[in-house]
Amino acid sequence: TQLLEQSPQFLSIQEGENLTVYCNSSSVFSSLQWYRQEPGEGPVLLVTVVTGGEVKKLKRLTFQFGDARKDSSLHITAAQPGDTGLYLCAGEGYGGSQGNLIFGKGTKLSVKP
Amino acid sequence: EAQVTQNPRYLITVTGKKLTVTCSQNMNHEYMSWYRQDPGLGLRQIYYSMNVEVTDKGDVPEGYKVSRKEKRNFPLILESPSPNQTSLYFCASSRDRGRPQHFGDGTRLSIL
Repeated sequence: TQLLEQSPQFLSIQEGENLTVYCNSSSVFSSLQWYRQEPGEGPVLLVTVVTGGEVKKLKRLTFQFGDARKDSSLHITAAQPGDTGLYLCAGEGYGGSQGNLIFGKGTKLSVKP
Repeated sequence: EAQVTQNPRYLITVTGKKLTVTCSQNMNHEYMSWYRQDPGLGLRQIYYSMNVEVTDKGDVPEGYKVSRKEKRNFPLILESPSPNQTSLYFCASSRDRGRPQHFGDGTRLSIL
């Protein structure tokens, strides 16, 4: 069974601080997605990373896919209260498991003004 | 506007009474999938579909059925619901398989 360990589970920081969220597995993934979810709503896709070592930037958010395609990180620079939410990583199965998606349990981020 | 529409948004029902949660997307996406979200367990995939008439089990398929007769619709069927299926359910779709782009707003099911 594939597992995605996400850390930390909770993070409470002040506006302007930097933070990193990690997503780790012993399994190889075809791709990895990052989502943000607000209470009472569905997850919203932030980014998809596909190639080992790939780095993608979305304004103040930087996403990295590990060289071996087993792990990923999300780094937020100068966090703002609007970044508050639940951040989820999700790995797409490899080979015969393509289409199968495994989610991490999420990182609940709170950014205080 | 790109949309994934789930109905109903909320439902309280009783054990054993068959129910269907509908999911429809307007983006002509081939890939659709269902998830349940539970506190402490996160989001778990129930079923997914790569295209019309092609469906596959996710990680927690027991007690659920799906069908994909048309590209736009992917209903989730609970033939005999039980209390352990009380959860928040999400449907999603995408152009690329295994990479859901758009999620519905969720259906909160309570089974008494």
